Amino acid sequence: DGGITQSPKYLFRKEGQNVTLSCEQNLNHDAMYWYRQDPGQGLRLIYYSQIVNDFQKGDIAEGYSVSREKKESFPLTVTSAQKNPTAFYLCASRTDRSAKTQYFGPGTRLLVL
Amino acid sequence: AQTVTQSQPEMSVQEAETVTLSCTYDTSESDYYLFWYKQPPSRQMILVIRQEAYKQQNATENRFSVNFQKAAKSFSLKISDSQLGDAAMYFCAYRSRSGGGADGLTFGKGTHLIIQP
Repeated sequence: DGGITQSPKYLFRKEGQNVTLSCEQNLNHDAMYWYRQDPGQGLRLIYYSQIVNDFQKGDIAEGYSVSREKKESFPLTVTSAQKNPTAFYLCASRTDRSAKTQYFGPGTRLLVL
Repeated sequence: AQTVTQSQPEMSVQEAETVTLSCTYDTSESDYYLFWYKQPPSRQMILVIRQEAYKQQNATENRFSVNFQKAAKSFSLKISDSQLGDAAMYFCAYRSRSGGGADGLTFGKGTHLIIQP
């Protein structure tokens, strides 16, 4: 089955701890994205990558880091510098056809202990 | 910067009836894409329908259709014959075609659609 997977489904972070959220896709898409969703809000762009070994900051990149070593994978690290990390995190990838539509993974819920 | 506004935090409709969700956006660009996504309680974001701004014809996908008014910067979603499975948060989103600036979607805050049986 082609698609986007995210793991874990739930993640707990302790104070001062870095945590990494996984995002994998087998759709052969070049571009991948990370979004954050807070209650009652739309999604906001954290980071994006249009090609392997290259990535750019989105609107709310502070306290986050990413890597793009493989086309299929785009992990997001929530660092201790992110003071309010509790949110729902969604990963997406984009086709170059069909109006360049983005398709989303199932999301990871991050909670702070 | 582009902004997307959904002025209806919540809408309610009887099953089998028709409902229209509103979306307006602000941009100085002439070429762009518009999308409606659905987020059910599972929180998975699901594409409902998309529109390319250069196309004058309104997009249609089965029971879902849009009313795209480019001059008014309006992009409403009409759901016909509403079904219980349509209950969800609906998000309107914008993407620049030129790719200038951050390459991502700009989302509205969403409309919570309730289907009354």
